Amino acid sequence: QVQLQESGPGLVKPSETLSLTCNVSGASIRSGSYYWNWIRQPAGKDLEWIGRIYSSGSTKYNPSLNSRIIISIDTSKNQFSLRLSSVTAADTAIYYCARLVVGPSPFFDYWGQGALVTVSS
Amino acid sequence: QSVLTQPPSVSGAPGQRVTISCSGSSSNIGTGYDVHWYQQLPGAAPRLLIYLTNNRPSGVPDRFSGSKSGTSASLVIAGLQVEDEGDYYCQSSDIRLSDPCVFGTGTKVTVL
Repeated sequence: QVQLQESGPGLVKPSETLSLTCNVSGASIRSGSYYWNWIRQPAGKDLEWIGRIYSSGSTKYNPSLNSRIIISIDTSKNQFSLRLSSVTAADTAIYYCARLVVGPSPFFDYWGQGALVTVSS
Repeated sequence: QSVLTQPPSVSGAPGQRVTISCSGSSSNIGTGYDVHWYQQLPGAAPRLLIYLTNNRPSGVPDRFSGSKSGTSASLVIAGLQVEDEGDYYCQSSDIRLSDPCVFGTGTKVTVL
């Protein structure tokens, strides 16, 4: 059974860097059939796609966050990571990692349970 | 602001049929992209409910069904149950955006 699990600090100070890791089990992150994504959801608000990475290391980011995001992949550990720099209170959200099925109309078939990250001093 | 618009809320009594719309345009649903639906129960992560417009993953009850026509798509819950209360999101792709995965604005389903 495919499972994704986010981990990382739940509290980050303003202007610092948010770092999260998604550990994948039950599937190989090397598979060419999927992209590996980060999505976030501020409290009471809608889902916002952050970015994704392919097994080759190629990435695509949300243009609104592009200058602050780095997504990386570690195939040896079957995990991928998110770094979001210069955070503000507006970055407070639940952060989900999710697997995106490659195809003409891609969709997210598995999601992590989510990690709440609060930006506060 | 999302390119896929959903009603903020729908409600129904147990056993009733409810429909959630997802309105797009000629650059997304209307150009032939499939629509996918996610269910987010209170305090939980989203889960895939319908993929490629009208397919249910294993474990999803058959009271959930999807369809699309023109520039819109619909999710039907036939026989609403108390445990269906939560938020529902559509998702598709858009040829005008660098991000090919766009979510709808979300609909809260309330069971009366």
